[in-house]
Amino acid sequence: DAGITQSPRHKVTETGTPVTLRCHQTENHRYMYWYRQDPGHGLRLIHYSYGVKDTDKGEVSDGYSVSRSKTEDFLLTLESATSSQTSVYFCAISERGIRWSYNSPLHFGNGTRLTVT
Amino acid sequence: EDKVVQSPLSLVVHEGDTVTLNCSYEVTNFRSLLWYKQEKKAPTFLFMLTSSGIEKKSGRLSSILDKKELFSILNITATQTGDSAVYLCAVVGGATNKLIFGTGTLLAVQP
Repeated sequence: DAGITQSPRHKVTETGTPVTLRCHQTENHRYMYWYRQDPGHGLRLIHYSYGVKDTDKGEVSDGYSVSRSKTEDFLLTLESATSSQTSVYFCAISERGIRWSYNSPLHFGNGTRLTVT
Repeated sequence: EDKVVQSPLSLVVHEGDTVTLNCSYEVTNFRSLLWYKQEKKAPTFLFMLTSSGIEKKSGRLSSILDKKELFSILNITATQTGDSAVYLCAVVGGATNKLIFGTGTLLAVQP
């Protein structure tokens, strides 16, 4: 298994509070991603990083921010949590960017289940 | 709009059966198609396909891509209860080379 650890595994929070999810990798991969997974939707990209301090938005980035100060850590912050952000969040890593995934597929962490009440 | 559609949404089979899962796509700038297996936690990588007609095989699982008809199939022979999972199909493509996921097929294998 790829060395990816997400924390916390589960979290319940109230609407309006900030929340930070952490992804830690031991593979020294350059690329890291945050996805959310909801019933009826495929995995959707929130943000991704292509290096330390280099990040970009995905398709569902509103209400989220990220930071990557070290190769191994990628943080996802919900600035003011809303009920629509109740979801399962997955971190993923890859050696090369998605364009080159024919020889560098994404590997996923075990997910964080977030409930916003 | 780029999209990936998987069928069926779910199916129930008995151990020993053979199943075929389908993935069709409408994605500009197609680069590759990937299959993942998701049990209770992380999706785990199964196959990546880039060329039509070349079968990828791993044990009882196999997959093939048809770039002319824009689909892929995932076959599982002699199914076991451990094959029970959601199988995800994803395509790399689009204007920004993104990974576009289908919603998955839920497979339940009964003893």
